Amino acid sequence: DTGVSQDPRHKITKRGQNVTFRCDPISEHNRLYWYRQTLGQGPEFLTYFQNEAQLEKSRLLSDRFSAERPKGSFSTLEIQRTEQGDSAMYLCASSFRSSHLAGAYEQYFGPGTRLTVT
Amino acid sequence: TQLLEQSPQFLSIQEGENLTVYCNSSSVFSSLQWYRQEPGEGPVLLVTVVTGGEVKKLKRLTFQFGDARKDSSLHITAAQPGDTGLYLCAGAKETSGSRLTFGEGTQLTVNP
Repeated sequence: DTGVSQDPRHKITKRGQNVTFRCDPISEHNRLYWYRQTLGQGPEFLTYFQNEAQLEKSRLLSDRFSAERPKGSFSTLEIQRTEQGDSAMYLCASSFRSSHLAGAYEQYFGPGTRLTVT
Repeated sequence: TQLLEQSPQFLSIQEGENLTVYCNSSSVFSSLQWYRQEPGEGPVLLVTVVTGGEVKKLKRLTFQFGDARKDSSLHITAAQPGDTGLYLCAGAKETSGSRLTFGEGTQLTVNP
């Protein structure tokens, strides 16, 4: 049983460096979401894709953040010129519309990538 | 801005006690989900509720969706140390691509 996987699990970088994270969703899932979670808070939505199309980006997402899902399968999230405020857990989730749950998209999360910017 | 408020934020109880966690909003949601998260891991889905007034049970956990689909509760009976974790409620709206809006979470500690 392959769930959502994320790589790397941990990343330590110096301020100003670029970092890239990868997410592999559950294979038949057509929607992929990125969230960010800081200590003591619930996850916050960043962006989501339906297949390869990026349909929404949070206003919280600065221009230094970019996400791609080139073939509608895995996705990457890149942060350029990292800042200490970018330190957080970056979570990926995927979903597929279930016909027996009207309007409900159950999202399944990966283990996250913990980013520390020094 | 959609906002989900969870209460309490922290809860420390003895094994065998019962507890209820609340999740409230002024917004109507298409569905509401409860997750449990361990330190350093991603949230794990416990349940999804979609119908106003719906009640779902998962062993010792009972989830209820409010009639107006604005609030939800999680009740745990006879809590066990293995129930320790961060419990998150999250609402989704069909019109928002079903992205999740999370509450801040309730950190539950069950002491043996």
